[in-house]
Amino acid sequence: AQSVTQLDSQVPVFEEAPVELRCNYSSSVSVYLFWYVQYPNQGLQLLLKYLSGSTLVKSINGFEAEFNKSQTSFHLRKPSVHISDTAEYFCAVTSAGGYQKVTFGTGTKLQVIP
Amino acid sequence: NAGVTQTPKFQVLKTGQSMTLQCAQDMNHEYMSWYRQDPGMGLRLIHYSVGAGITDQGEVPNGYNVSRSTTEDFPLRLLSAAPSQTSVYFCASSPQGWGNTEAFFGQGTRLTVV
Repeated sequence: AQSVTQLDSQVPVFEEAPVELRCNYSSSVSVYLFWYVQYPNQGLQLLLKYLSGSTLVKSINGFEAEFNKSQTSFHLRKPSVHISDTAEYFCAVTSAGGYQKVTFGTGTKLQVIP
Repeated sequence: NAGVTQTPKFQVLKTGQSMTLQCAQDMNHEYMSWYRQDPGMGLRLIHYSVGAGITDQGEVPNGYNVSRSTTEDFPLRLLSAAPSQTSVYFCASSPQGWGNTEAFFGQGTRLTVV
């Protein structure tokens, strides 16, 4: 079985400040890790993913996440947030080598304050 | 490029009524799935399908039925709606369903059961 923990349900941050959204996972097998973003009244869309190779992965809009196997974490960071980053962010995990039974975290609402 | 299309966007049902949530994708994806999203609980998998004619249960299947007669369509049926089924429902698809592939989500159906 696998699980994902997002400890912060809401994170308020001022515009242009840095932010970190935390994600920890547990699994007995190798995993793939994802961050999805959900803007208000929309579906989820992929932000970035870790499959293998470099442990630091980046998105096109300035977010990055680092896979840390020893700490079983995949925290999402951005050095300077914008109002447009206000959304809910979901960390997700799937088991390597198997069908896509995705396990989602409970989500973190990022509120960027002007 | 429609992607994943869900209808309706909003629905109010009375307890005991039945309805079908429609989901269609035009990307020729083999894998399709249904999730429900509830506050503080993230997304939970209801049912999934790895191809036409093949479906299986997810984490919370009770009260829901699915079928997959074509690659494109994956409807979700509520046979006798209950207030506990008030939620936002998302349909998702991915190319092959393996754990390393991205899921593409519809815009969601917001269902209220009174």
